[in-house]
Amino acid sequence: KAGVTQTPRYLIKTRGQQVTLSCSPISGHRSVSWYQQTPGQGLQFLFEYFSETQRNKGNFPGRFSGRQFSNSRSEMNVSTLELGDSALYLCASRGQGNGYTFGSGTRLTVV
Amino acid sequence: EDKVVQSPLSLVVHEGDTVTLNCSYEVTNFRSLLWYKQEKKAPTFLFMLTSSGIEKKSGRLSSILDKKELFSILNITATQTGDSAVYLCAVPAYNTDKLIFGTGTRLQVFP
Repeated sequence: KAGVTQTPRYLIKTRGQQVTLSCSPISGHRSVSWYQQTPGQGLQFLFEYFSETQRNKGNFPGRFSGRQFSNSRSEMNVSTLELGDSALYLCASRGQGNGYTFGSGTRLTVV
Repeated sequence: EDKVVQSPLSLVVHEGDTVTLNCSYEVTNFRSLLWYKQEKKAPTFLFMLTSSGIEKKSGRLSSILDKKELFSILNITATQTGDSAVYLCAVPAYNTDKLIFGTGTRLQVFP
């Protein structure tokens, strides 16, 4: 079965712009979570969605938001981009049982 | 506050060496502990441990969990250059799909 698909793979944006990242989970998985990975901070939790409901949110400013659609695909949005938002954004999907599968991520560079 | 701590942060070895990576945790209502290997982008799943004292093995990799002392180790025997990667340890937070990650151990294997 297809894995977790994240688009786009790479993005370059300028400060002040906004960006939308997409994550399509494994078919049948209803749980999607997002993480930001930077060299200094490691993997930091952003949000978790299950059946279109946000169940948890990490300690990030309100510029970071997300949503999940009825087909379980999820998007995250970052508004008013800052240089410090440059990172690898990873999403993970989870089905029955405890397996978490990660996508290849979106590399965001803010200039 | 829930936390996961990995050591060492970095390890440099020669092919054929055996390495042991450590992960300790403090998490409310522990359910499981996961190990991932991250080479470029997507963390790839290695093991999930739920029961204390039961070793999981996959080829040259093995892992064990000690729920009394709250730690896990990942062993890699007869290391190869292809084992060079960041190894991540993660624990799900209580009653959510949020994963709490350690900072990772960067392993470099030289010929």
